[in-house]
Amino acid sequence: RKEVEQDPGPFNVPEGATVAFNCTYSNSASQSFFWYRQDCRKEPKLLMSVYSSGNEDGRFTAQLNRASQYISLLIRDSKLSDSATYLCVVNRNSGNTPLVFGKGTRLSVIA
Amino acid sequence: GAGVSQSPSNKVTEKGKDVELRCDPISGHTALYWYRQSLGQGLEFLIYFQGNSAPDKSGLPSDRFSAERTGGSVSTLTIQRTQQEDSAVYLCASSLDGPLDTQYFGPGTRLTVL
Repeated sequence: RKEVEQDPGPFNVPEGATVAFNCTYSNSASQSFFWYRQDCRKEPKLLMSVYSSGNEDGRFTAQLNRASQYISLLIRDSKLSDSATYLCVVNRNSGNTPLVFGKGTRLSVIA
Repeated sequence: GAGVSQSPSNKVTEKGKDVELRCDPISGHTALYWYRQSLGQGLEFLIYFQGNSAPDKSGLPSDRFSAERTGGSVSTLTIQRTQQEDSAVYLCASSLDGPLDTQYFGPGTRLTVL
């Protein structure tokens, strides 16, 4: 099983739609979780950290399910500018160990 | 302030040549990372520097790859005897204090090995 798995997509959704991505991770000792966003031919940028209790930032909501070892990202009221690849990121273990990046889920928001 | 910078932005080389890629992290960031991303693929971790600690080299794919970080700031990734499969975008990132802090990525160096 891969350390971090994501559905590659693409998810093609109309403007205003709600879309959700899931990501599963294999290492039960992982403690830190993030969603990064990568635009085409650009570098990744942090979208949001994922906290145990779930967290929301505007139209974006991240949730963590430790029992099932998955993380989700919900985008409400999709905008054209949300079109990008969304990378699920997990740390290997507790402490200062490198992050593992998923291959990403591609989202296209269509007018 | 200035972000992470990388040079060159593009590098075309012939198989068998050595290349050096440079990364200037954000000033004051103690942690620096190298990744590579092949076309349509995810980020592959290569190496991680944290302060004065020995680097985590667990992601380097072969002994042709090496990296150093001088003075706790600038880093150079060296690939010796390049192969065509080394072609990828090499991304550098830095964070204030370890991988659990936000990683800020540079624009990358696109390496093409002919």
